[in-house]
Amino acid sequence: GQNIDQPTEMTATEGAIVQINCTYQTSGFNGLFWYQQHAGEAPTFLSYNVLDGLEEKGRFSSFLSRSKGYSYLLLKELQMKDSASYLCAVRDNNAGNMLTFGGGTRLMVKP
Amino acid sequence: DSGVTQTPKHLITATGQRVTLRCSPRSGDLSVYWYQQSLDQGLQFLIQYYNGEERAKGNILERFSAQQFPDLHSELNLSSLELGDSALYFCASSIGQLRMEFSTDTQYFGPGTRLTVL
Repeated sequence: GQNIDQPTEMTATEGAIVQINCTYQTSGFNGLFWYQQHAGEAPTFLSYNVLDGLEEKGRFSSFLSRSKGYSYLLLKELQMKDSASYLCAVRDNNAGNMLTFGGGTRLMVKP
Repeated sequence: DSGVTQTPKHLITATGQRVTLRCSPRSGDLSVYWYQQSLDQGLQFLIQYYNGEERAKGNILERFSAQQFPDLHSELNLSSLELGDSALYFCASSIGQLRMEFSTDTQYFGPGTRLTVL
């Protein structure tokens, strides 16, 4: 099976930087995804990591360390609209390449 | 807009009833996935179809079933509904490349169907 852990809630200030961590345990790692989900809406794809290192996409970056089973999502220059849940999901090629999602981190951005 | 469509947007029904949720994948995607998200809960994977065939099964109850049709749209059938089945049901689609190293095969989600069982 898989185990994915991420903090339940975080609070940050508008204009600041926040790092959302995700740790996972899986037998056949085949990629890690980050999604953003506003309340009551669909998850939207943010980033994908399968090799170690940092992937940067504008204000958002995602990092992966496969040996440590660890990823983080870094959000810079926070805006109020970034208040949402951030979901870490791991793909396991020993489980039909299906995605297993963590419980999500609810980020609240304050003025 | 992800390109994945789901109908209906909202559904209100009574316990013991049966409902059908419909999903049309993005153009060119062969895989369809169904997820359940209860209030303040994470996304729970239910089932995956690839080009008409069941590919993977998650925590799907026996009262639930799904299928993917030749035109690649999918339906999720929920029967003998219980209060606890009230949730958001999301469909996602992807190209469905399997066993390809470093393949992204990103899943894109539809807007969801909010099911309320009274």
